[in-house]
Amino acid sequence: DAGITQSPRHKVTETGTPVTLRCHQTENHRYMYWYRQDPGHGLRLIHYSYGVKDTDKGEVSDGYSVSRSKTEDFLLTLESATSSQTSVYFCAISESRDSTDTQYFGPGTRLTVL
Amino acid sequence: QKEVEQNSGPLSVPEGAIASLNCTYSDRGSQSFFWYRQYSGKSPELIMFIYSNGDKEDGRFTAQLNKASQYVSLLIRDSQPSDSATYLCAFDSGGYQKVTFGIGTKLQVIP
Repeated sequence: DAGITQSPRHKVTETGTPVTLRCHQTENHRYMYWYRQDPGHGLRLIHYSYGVKDTDKGEVSDGYSVSRSKTEDFLLTLESATSSQTSVYFCAISESRDSTDTQYFGPGTRLTVL
Repeated sequence: QKEVEQNSGPLSVPEGAIASLNCTYSDRGSQSFFWYRQYSGKSPELIMFIYSNGDKEDGRFTAQLNKASQYVSLLIRDSQPSDSATYLCAFDSGGYQKVTFGIGTKLQVIP
């Protein structure tokens, strides 16, 4: 398995509180991604990173911010959590931008916003 | 809006049969297509990718791509109960591997 960990694995929080999810990789891959997965919607890209301090928005970026200060860590922050952000969040990594290169997924974080 | 359409299922097949999973996509510029398998409560894992028209075989799995008709399919031969999972179709048409995923088809292989 690719060396990707996510923390926390489960979190319950209240509406309006800030939440930070962490993705950590040991593969030294340049590209990192945050997705959310919801029933009926599949996986949707939130933000991605193509290098340290280089990030860009995905399809559903509103309400989320990211940071990448080191190659191995990609943080996803919900500035003020809402119930609509209850979801399963997956981090993914890839070595290159080659479309045939595999994206490896982390184990996921289940977030519940009450 | 780039879209991928999949029947969410469940698709039930008996053990040993061929399972056929289908997917259509909207973006004619799509270059690469992927099939991911996701067991319940687990993360997706890539099982096949294809970028040329025609068939690509890997063990019991065959991916089929028809760009003119904008569909991609996955055949699983000699289906096993361990193949029971949700299969996600995805395509990549842009840089930085921005991949669009379908909602997935749930496959149940009945012993």
